[in-house]
Amino acid sequence: QKEVEQNSGPLSVPEGAIASLNCTYSDRGSQSFFWYRQYSGKSPELIMFIYSNGDKEDGRFTAQLNKASQYVSLLIRDSQPSDSATYLCAVKEGAGNNRKLIWGLGTSLAVNP
Amino acid sequence: EAGVAQSPRYKIIEKRQSVAFWCNPISGHATLYWYQQILGQGPKLLIQFQNNGVVDDSQLPKDRFSAERLKGVDSTLKIQPAKLEDSAVYLCASSLVSIGRGAYEQYFGPGTRLTVT
Repeated sequence: QKEVEQNSGPLSVPEGAIASLNCTYSDRGSQSFFWYRQYSGKSPELIMFIYSNGDKEDGRFTAQLNKASQYVSLLIRDSQPSDSATYLCAVKEGAGNNRKLIWGLGTSLAVNP
Repeated sequence: EAGVAQSPRYKIIEKRQSVAFWCNPISGHATLYWYQQILGQGPKLLIQFQNNGVVDDSQLPKDRFSAERLKGVDSTLKIQPAKLEDSAVYLCASSLVSIGRGAYEQYFGPGTRLTVT
C-alpha cells in the first residue's frame, strides 16, 4: 500500500516566521512531488512541484526533496495570515502505465497575526 | 485562461435519489479526473479519463457511480442511488497529459458539495 504521510497539525506559527511542512512517502520509485494549498471550503491549488533532489524556490515558498530519505518538505518564509490553510502533499506513483497521485491527508497551518 | 468549471456548486438530496455533476476542463487539457474529498481527508481519485477513454476507475464504486466524457471534453459524474456516505465534495481536475515528468500538474475546479440526507 503506497502511502503519503503528513502531520495533521494544526501547525501554528506567528506572522513573519518560517513555517515548515513535512511529508514522507513510501514509494521509493516516485519521481514527482507536489504541494497543494487548500483554503477552507475551496478546492486544492497547486503551489509547488519538485522532481530533483535539493531545493526549489518560488517567492516565499521553498520545496525540499530528499529521495534517499523519502522526504519532501515545504518552507514558507515570512508567513502571512493569508497562508493559513491546509497544505496537501501529493506524490506521483513511481511505476505503472498510469501513475496516479497519492495524496496525504494534509497539514493545517495557522499563521497568527 | 479559463479554469476548470463545475456545476452545480452545492446539492442536497435524500438517500436513494440520483444526482449528476458536470465538469468542463481547461481548454486543451486531455486528461480529466474526478475526485471525492471527504472533510479532513485528501482527495480520492474516482476516475481518470485520457481524452474520452477511461484510464483508471479502480476506486469508482461502479454499482452506484458512473462517469462519461463524450467527445473528450466535458464530463459528467452520476450517483444512483446515493447513500449517506456519499456526502463529500466532488472535485474535477484536468491536466495537459497524464504521463511523463513535468506534465502532471493538475488544476482543480471549485468542486460540488454534496449532502445526502
